[in-house]
Amino acid sequence: EAGVAQSPRYKIIEKRQSVAFWCNPISGHATLYWYQQILGQGPKLLIQFQNNGVVDDSQLPKDRFSAERLKGVDSTLKIQPAKLEDSAVYLCASSASTGTDTQYFGPGTRLTVL
Amino acid sequence: AQSVAQPEDQVNVAEGNPLTVKCTYSVSGNPYLFWYVQYPNRGLQFLLKYITGDNLVKGSYGFEAEFNKSQTSFHLKKPSALVSDSALYFCAVRDPLRGKSTFGDGTTLTVKP
Repeated sequence: EAGVAQSPRYKIIEKRQSVAFWCNPISGHATLYWYQQILGQGPKLLIQFQNNGVVDDSQLPKDRFSAERLKGVDSTLKIQPAKLEDSAVYLCASSASTGTDTQYFGPGTRLTVL
Repeated sequence: AQSVAQPEDQVNVAEGNPLTVKCTYSVSGNPYLFWYVQYPNRGLQFLLKYITGDNLVKGSYGFEAEFNKSQTSFHLKKPSALVSDSALYFCAVRDPLRGKSTFGDGTTLTVKP
């Protein structure tokens, strides 16, 4: 079974530029998550999708971050414009559903904002 | 609001010795608890979870965790550590209704030969 795929693996941009990350979850998984992991901290949930609907985006900085999951499969996360404090690893995860189902994580995208 | 605390930033053990990585949690209702491991430049890998039932949960790579409701703890354990167990370990608690997970800040485990 293929795991969660993410691209790119690394990205370096200057502040005020825009960037987009892509995630393809495990086939058949209805729930998709985007996390931000700042160095030295645990992952923080940015947004959670159930199929193509948003379940939780309470910690998403909506003035600069946006995410979509068209057709309930793959997803993109965008930052526009980027700030220095957005430097982090962005992790995508998926699970069969919510509740007790295990989340499976992709390798992450390491973003550096200069 | 739910929360997780991992009181130790770093745990050092000698190979062959038992290891414990501590986790305490705060949540309303029944807790769903998870442990993940992260190797450098990799995503998080699932180790084990507690949903209900036996307080001692067995997981991958010989790890186990003990759920203690009175102490609101879910400590990760292994009877005999390996050098290859050296990694960053995260404890997480999940809201059973919405599926939102809250992670601790992680504990770096170093196993020395």
